[in-house]
Amino acid sequence: AQSVTQLDSQVPVFEEAPVELRCNYSSSVSVYLFWYVQYPNQGLQLLLKYLSGSTLVKGINGFEAEFNKSQTSFHLRKPSVHIRDTAEYFCAVSDRSRNSGGYQKVTFGTGTKLQVIP
Amino acid sequence: SAVISQKPSRDICQRGTSLTIQCQVDSQVTMMFWYRQQPGQSLTLIATANQGSEATYESGFVIDKFPISRPNLTFSTLTVSNMSPEDSSIYLCSVVRTEAFFGQGTRLTVV
Repeated sequence: AQSVTQLDSQVPVFEEAPVELRCNYSSSVSVYLFWYVQYPNQGLQLLLKYLSGSTLVKGINGFEAEFNKSQTSFHLRKPSVHIRDTAEYFCAVSDRSRNSGGYQKVTFGTGTKLQVIP
Repeated sequence: SAVISQKPSRDICQRGTSLTIQCQVDSQVTMMFWYRQQPGQSLTLIATANQGSEATYESGFVIDKFPISRPNLTFSTLTVSNMSPEDSSIYLCSVVRTEAFFGQGTRLTVV
């Protein structure tokens, strides 16, 4: 079984400042990792995903994340945030070996609310 | 990718009644997943629905409260039975093709 820990429930940051949202996971098997964003009163949208290859993954809206296997982390970063980035961000994990057939559920962290201050 | 149509998008229901939520996927999938997102919280998996067999429920969720049907490889329903105000949540269906794809959600309010 996998689990995801997002230590920061809320992160306030001034506009144009950099931000890092932390995510740590626990798993006994190889994993896929994801970040989703949920804007107020909207559905979930995939920001980026790590499947294999380069550990630095670039996503939409200028976000990127780095997979660190030794630290079991997948932190999300953006060098300069905008007001429109105010949303809730969810880190998620699934079992790589069972995912390809659509058999494996995706486990979500508790979410981090990013509040961008003008 | 996958496109999931979920309905209703929202409903307000009286306590003690039941609501059935439907999800239609644009292609065949082996498993469909049902999540609940309570206000201000993350997604919690309710159950996994496999066509042709009974759904598998996560700890804390039971079939009598959340019966699920999976009549074919593109469709599933989740019923929220004997509702109470604590059932007020967003309910989402999902399929996985490497990443999780979601329906738009059903925002349920129980009064």
